[in-house]
Amino acid sequence: EAQVTQNPRYLITVTGKKLTVTCSQNMNHEYMSWYRQDPGLGLRQIYYSMNVEVTDKGDVPEGYKVSRKEKRNFPLILESPSPNQTSLYFCASSFGPSGFEQYFGPGTRLTVT
Amino acid sequence: GIQVEQSPPDLILQEGANSTLRCNFSDSVNNLQWFHQNPWGQLINLFYIPSGTKQNGRLSATTVATERYSLLYISSSQTTDSGVYFCAVAGGGGATNKLIFGTGTLLAVQP
Repeated sequence: EAQVTQNPRYLITVTGKKLTVTCSQNMNHEYMSWYRQDPGLGLRQIYYSMNVEVTDKGDVPEGYKVSRKEKRNFPLILESPSPNQTSLYFCASSFGPSGFEQYFGPGTRLTVT
Repeated sequence: GIQVEQSPPDLILQEGANSTLRCNFSDSVNNLQWFHQNPWGQLINLFYIPSGTKQNGRLSATTVATERYSLLYISSSQTTDSGVYFCAVAGGGGATNKLIFGTGTLLAVQP
């Protein structure tokens, strides 16, 4: 089944404790991206990747890192999480840039205390 | 950047009723998708519809790109249709695959 998977689905952590949210897709998509969803602000893109080893900032990249060492995986790294990073995070993938259909993962609900 | 407006913001229906959700966008787009966010937060792809009309069971969608709007039709609504419906668009050009989301329509279907 074609899908985007994320882990963990739920995470509660403390300020400053490094964490990684994994994202994997099995559709051989070139493009992958991360969004966060916050009440009143909607979904905003954090980072995106056009291919292996090629990444770029989205609208809200501060406090996040990403890597794309394999085509199927695109982890999101929070090196020193803060409470303002409490959010619902989505990974997405597509064959190409803006004109291509995007497929979203199930979401990761992160709480930073 | 492209602005996306959805209407109505909230909608309450009785089970079995039909509804139409609207999405207006401010510039030409090469991608338009409709999503359903269920009460557990998952974003479900409904339609990829930058132009034309598509149907999937009780749901159908129409995008009139030249007039910059899209409509999502829900017929014979069920309680499981409850949640938030988002329209998201992307414009041409550039390397990004960023989707710009509307603010959503919150649908509640009552038994």
